[in-house]
Amino acid sequence: NAGVMQNPRHLVRRRGQEARLRCSPVKGHSHVYWYRQLPEEGLKFMVYLQKENIIDESGMPKERFSAEFPKEGPSILRIQQVVRGDSAAYFCASSPVQLANSGNTIYFGEGSWLTVV
Amino acid sequence: QKEVEQNSGPLSVPEGAIASLNCTYSDRVSQSFFWYRQYSGKSPELIMSIYSNGDKEDGRFTAQLNKASQYVSLLIRDSQPSDSATYLCAVNSGGSNYKLTFGKGTLLTVNP
Repeated sequence: NAGVMQNPRHLVRRRGQEARLRCSPVKGHSHVYWYRQLPEEGLKFMVYLQKENIIDESGMPKERFSAEFPKEGPSILRIQQVVRGDSAAYFCASSPVQLANSGNTIYFGEGSWLTVV
Repeated sequence: QKEVEQNSGPLSVPEGAIASLNCTYSDRVSQSFFWYRQYSGKSPELIMSIYSNGDKEDGRFTAQLNKASQYVSLLIRDSQPSDSATYLCAVNSGGSNYKLTFGKGTLLTVNP
C-alpha cells in the first residue's frame, strides 16, 4: 500500500545504539500494526496501536523495544541498545478501523531494513 | 502455539504451467486466510484473501480453502517469470482480527 510510508528504508546501527523506525499511516487511518521479519523467518506480529494507545503488544520483546503512536505525527518503533539479532525487516500497516474477520486485510508499507553491525 | 506450515521450496515450474502452493494451519477458529507475494527485498503484497470453504478465483490466481482439513492453497495458472517470488500464507489468529500468523513462505521460480 503506497499510502503507508515508512522511513528510513534502510538503517545501519552499531551494537548498543538506538534505532527509531517511523511509520506514517494512510491519511485518516488511526490504527497501526507493526510486524517484524527476521532472516529466514516468517513475518511476526509485534504490536497494535491506536492513536495514543497501545492495544496489543503481545508480540513485542519484553526488553529494549517500545512503540508509540502519538496524537500528532507518525508511529515510532524504538529499539534501544540494539543487538545483531535485531537485524530484520520491520513492516508497518494501517487501517481506518479495527480489522474485522472478513472484508478487511493488512496492507504493508515498504518496510524498514535494520542492520546491526 | 498457533502455526502455519508451508513447504519452503524452491518450487520450480516452467513458464505457462500451473504452480500449486500449499499451506496448513493449526488454529481451528481461524476465519480469514490470505496469500501474500514477496519479491526479494520488498514488502509483502496481498494477492488473495479467502474466508469461506471452496474456491475463489481472481485472474490467474485461485485460492482454495478447506477448513475441515485446515488447508489452504493457491494455484497460479499460466505462470510467468514475473511470478517468481516467495509466497506467504497468512491466517488470522483465533479471536484476533488484526493479528496474522504467517508461514515462512514458499519460494517459486518460473523458468522461461
